[in-house]
Amino acid sequence: ELKVEQNPLFLSMQEGKNYTIYCNYSTTSDRLYWYRQDPGKSLESLFVLLSNGAVKQEGRLMASLDTKARLSTLHITAAVHDLSATYFCAVDTDSNYQLIWGAGTKLIIKP
Amino acid sequence: GAGVSQSPSNKVTEKGKDVELRCDPISGHTALYWYRQSLGQGLEFLIYFQGNSAPDKSGLPSDRFSAERTGGSVSTLTIQRTQQEDSAVYLCASSLEGPSRAETQYFGPGTRLLVL
Repeated sequence: ELKVEQNPLFLSMQEGKNYTIYCNYSTTSDRLYWYRQDPGKSLESLFVLLSNGAVKQEGRLMASLDTKARLSTLHITAAVHDLSATYFCAVDTDSNYQLIWGAGTKLIIKP
Repeated sequence: GAGVSQSPSNKVTEKGKDVELRCDPISGHTALYWYRQSLGQGLEFLIYFQGNSAPDKSGLPSDRFSAERTGGSVSTLTIQRTQQEDSAVYLCASSLEGPSRAETQYFGPGTRLLVL
């Protein structure tokens, strides 16, 4: 059974600091997705990572994928308040139509 | 359309009543997905459509849940004899060709269902 675990589940940090959110998954996959959800809103795609060693960056966010370690990271550089949201990772496999989602990391960035 | 739309945005119903939730995907998207999100939780996959057919219904939690898609476009998720544990946000997403293409799914705003 494919399981996806995120940590931490909750993170409160100060503006200007760096931090990393981790996403571990339990079976072979080379497709991993990061989404953002603002309170009361729907999900917005951030990154699609499709191969081992893939790295993508958008503004202060950078995501990477290590398929051998079954680990993806979402790194936040010099956080700003606007990045406060819940971040989800999700994984799928060739044999499964379903995206399996992590529980989400609620990120609060204080001014 | 410009994005995925869902209706109603909010629905309050009494236990035992039936509800219908509607999803209108992005025009031209052949794949459509339904998810359920309980308060403070991640997403739970319910069902996936490719065109009008549903290759994967494995996520439907019980036989009270059903879904259909007509004309390769609009989809309806029906919950019969609603229970309080059905209260959640129901999210619909669409993608251009389907999950085997490792595509981004585009989500609608969701329907917030409250069963009293």
